[in-house]
Amino acid sequence: KAGVTQTPRYLIKTRGQQVTLSCSPISGHRSVSWYQQTPGQGLQFLFEYFSETQRNKGNFPGRFSGRQFSNSRSEMNVSTLELGDSALYLCASSPEIAGYGEQYFGPGTRLTVT
Amino acid sequence: AQSVAQPEDQVNVAEGNPLTVKCTYSVSGNPYLFWYVQYPNRGLQFLLKYITGDNLVKGSYGFEAEFNKSQTSFHLKKPSALVSDSALYFCAVREAHTGFSGGYNKLIFGAGTRLAVHP
Repeated sequence: KAGVTQTPRYLIKTRGQQVTLSCSPISGHRSVSWYQQTPGQGLQFLFEYFSETQRNKGNFPGRFSGRQFSNSRSEMNVSTLELGDSALYLCASSPEIAGYGEQYFGPGTRLTVT
Repeated sequence: AQSVAQPEDQVNVAEGNPLTVKCTYSVSGNPYLFWYVQYPNRGLQFLLKYITGDNLVKGSYGFEAEFNKSQTSFHLKKPSALVSDSALYFCAVREAHTGFSGGYNKLIFGAGTRLAVHP
């Protein structure tokens, strides 16, 4: 079974631009969660989608948004990029709502904002 | 609010020696606890979880973890370390909420512990 895939793997953007990251979960998984990983803040939860509905959201500004499609694929969007948004963005999928069991992580998208 | 603490930024171990990576937690209710490992330029890989049952949980790659309720700890252990075990290790706890609009669950991660196994 194919794992979680994330595209693109690397991205360089300029401050003020917007970016869209994509995540394809493991087949059959309905929950997709997004995390931001930085050296200073560690792993921080962004949001979770289950069956196309946002079930939970972390403490991030409204510039961070996401959605999930009927095939469980998910996208996250960051508008008006800031230098501090440079991070590794990880997507994770699970069969049920995240937290009951293990989550399966993708390789991440490395976003650099200049 | 639920939280986890990993008191050591880095753990150094000689190959062949036993290793322990420490984790303590703070939860209300029964804890759901997890360990993940991250290799360079990779996403996180699930190692093991504790939901209920035996306090000693066995996981992938020869790792195990001991749940201790009285000490609120969930330390990761391996009897004999390998150089290939060198990586970043994260402990996580489930935070759950039940409300009128529906419940949610999410994982709260510790800051991570870098394990360095020397030949």
